[in-house]
Amino acid sequence: QKEVEQDPGPLSVPEGAIVSLNCTYSNSAFQYFMWYRQYSRKGPELLMYTYSSGNKEDGRFTAQVDKSSKYISLFIRDSQPSDSATYLCAMSAGGTSYGKLTFGQGTILTVHP
Amino acid sequence: DAGITQSPRHKVTETGTPVTLRCHQTENHRYMYWYRQDPGHGLRLIHYSYGVKDTDKGEVSDGYSVSRSKTEDFLLTLESATSSQTSVYFCAISARGTRTDTQYFGPGTRLTVL
Repeated sequence: QKEVEQDPGPLSVPEGAIVSLNCTYSNSAFQYFMWYRQYSRKGPELLMYTYSSGNKEDGRFTAQVDKSSKYISLFIRDSQPSDSATYLCAMSAGGTSYGKLTFGQGTILTVHP
Repeated sequence: DAGITQSPRHKVTETGTPVTLRCHQTENHRYMYWYRQDPGHGLRLIHYSYGVKDTDKGEVSDGYSVSRSKTEDFLLTLESATSSQTSVYFCAISARGTRTDTQYFGPGTRLTVL
């Protein structure tokens, strides 16, 4: 079993839809949680960062972390065709494990006009 | 791409040949990383560096070596390339001390081993 599980999709939604992307994990030491967006043939770019449990909002994006359930989510409101990309969750324990990110396999999202 | 360049961007080579990929940063960040990305596996850490001449192995280090003689450059070497090393390779950087564990990625190198 992988340490981080992410549904690879693909996920196809109409423009304007609310998108929910999710990851589950098994390592209870994880405390830093990130979402990266990766456009085709580009490097991943940091989209959202959350420390420990709770919610974080940035424009149309909301990241949620539920450490008790070992579950993180990314919500995209009013999705746009420009949101079409692969979304990767990543997490780390920090401390002596600084820099050792564990990634999900990524979810391919297509937003069609 | 956060001041990170990778070279070459594309390379086709033959099995058994040595290959070196270069990562160059202009951010003066202490930490640098090499990942490979394959379908169904996401990003997997190969090696990382926490300072000049300080490196350590990641999850999938077999068949790879690294060197870091300057803060700005981190080299990944495949001593004898194999077809299983066909992949997209990403370099990343981070700056410890910011209380986060976020990394910033370069544009990638697409390597094909025939």
